[in-house]
Amino acid sequence: AQSVSQHNHHVILSEAASLELGCNYSYGGTVNLFWYVQYPGQHLQLLLKYFSGDPLVKGIKGFEAEFIKSKFSFNLRKPSVQWSDTAEYFCAVGYGGATNKLIFGTGTLLAVQP
Amino acid sequence: GAVVSQHPSWVICKSGTSVKIECRSLDFQATTMFWYRQFPKQSLMLMATSNEGSKATYEQGVEKDKFLINHASLTLSTLTVTSAHPEDSSFYICSALGRGTSTEAFFGQGTRLTVV
Repeated sequence: AQSVSQHNHHVILSEAASLELGCNYSYGGTVNLFWYVQYPGQHLQLLLKYFSGDPLVKGIKGFEAEFIKSKFSFNLRKPSVQWSDTAEYFCAVGYGGATNKLIFGTGTLLAVQP
Repeated sequence: GAVVSQHPSWVICKSGTSVKIECRSLDFQATTMFWYRQFPKQSLMLMATSNEGSKATYEQGVEKDKFLINHASLTLSTLTVTSAHPEDSSFYICSALGRGTSTEAFFGQGTRLTVV
């Protein structure tokens, strides 16, 4: 069965530290890749997405992610986090070209200390 | 971005009763809505996909007679958990895909269901 793994369940960083959250998926065919963020008490919001083209994708709020097909990975990065980045981050994969029928990872809770 | 609203945000019900959760797209017409369930410390799991005016498509292992989905209009889909039991306690989230919008679905804030 297709699956999505997020390696870090809980990450604590100080402001200005660099962030990298891992995401791996199990399927070798066509995939669409997403990172969502959920701020406390708010809806899930799309951070960035990859369908095709340049494997380095830039999203909102200074986030970026790199698709490495050989590693089945789509890691999320930000060079310098802020306290306002405290949130839960979900990686999601659409298999077989599906753009919105998604399989989600378990989420990573990021706490940024001021 | 577009707004999707779920109601209620949380609900407690007695075992054996039914609960209805609404998902509304407030500022766009949603041709497709998705219902997810999230158990504590687990992923969001897709339960079903509903298209306006047609029957929902359920994922494997999801009981369609227990989780009734209605998508009667372009702005409203409902999920009814029938004869709820404590094991149905979970976080239910909907997302909506707009007409002409093929790359992003917008999520509701979720509904916390507790069955006692």
